[in-house]
Amino acid sequence: EAGVVQSPRYKIIEKKQPVAFWCNPISGHNTLYWYRQNLGQGPELLIRYENEEAVDDSQLPKDRFSAERLKGVDSTLKIQPAELGDSAVYLCASSFTGLAGGADTQYFGPGTRLTVL
Amino acid sequence: AQSVTQPDIHITVSEGASLELRCNYSYGATPYLFWYVQSPGQGLQLLLKYFSGDTLVQGIKGFEAEFKRSQSSFNLRKPSVHWSDAAEYFCAVGANQAGTALIFGKGTTLSVSS
Repeated sequence: EAGVVQSPRYKIIEKKQPVAFWCNPISGHNTLYWYRQNLGQGPELLIRYENEEAVDDSQLPKDRFSAERLKGVDSTLKIQPAELGDSAVYLCASSFTGLAGGADTQYFGPGTRLTVL
Repeated sequence: AQSVTQPDIHITVSEGASLELRCNYSYGATPYLFWYVQSPGQGLQLLLKYFSGDTLVQGIKGFEAEFKRSQSSFNLRKPSVHWSDAAEYFCAVGANQAGTALIFGKGTTLSVSS
């Protein structure tokens, strides 16, 4: 079974440029997460989707960040314009959220390492 | 406030020696607990998880962890460390609710000496 796929793996851009990251979750997983991991820190949630609906975007800096999950499968996270402080690893995770509720296990992709110069 | 504390930023263990990585959490509800491992340039791989039941859980690669509610801890252990275990380890807590985002600690970097 394929895991969570992310691309690109690495991206170097100059500040004020736009950048986009792509994520394809594990087949059948209806919940998708974008996390940001700063150097020396644990991941922190940016946005969570259930199917195509963003159900938690409270930590997403909406002035420059946007995300979409059309058709409820793969997702794109965009930054425009990028700032120096956006340098981090952007991780995508997915899980299956059933009707019965209860905790589910999140599986992570390899991440995209963004460097803003 | 909900939080996870991993008190040790960096630990060095001799190959073949035992390992214990500490994790303490602060969570208002019944916590669901996870340990993930991250090798350089890689994503997070799930080692083990605790949802309910037996408080000693077994994971992959010979790891185990014990949930101690009275101490708000979920320490990770391995009886004999291999050089390939060198990586960064993250403890995380989530709620008993599907789709809840995880709260991670800052991680512990494990080095293995020969």
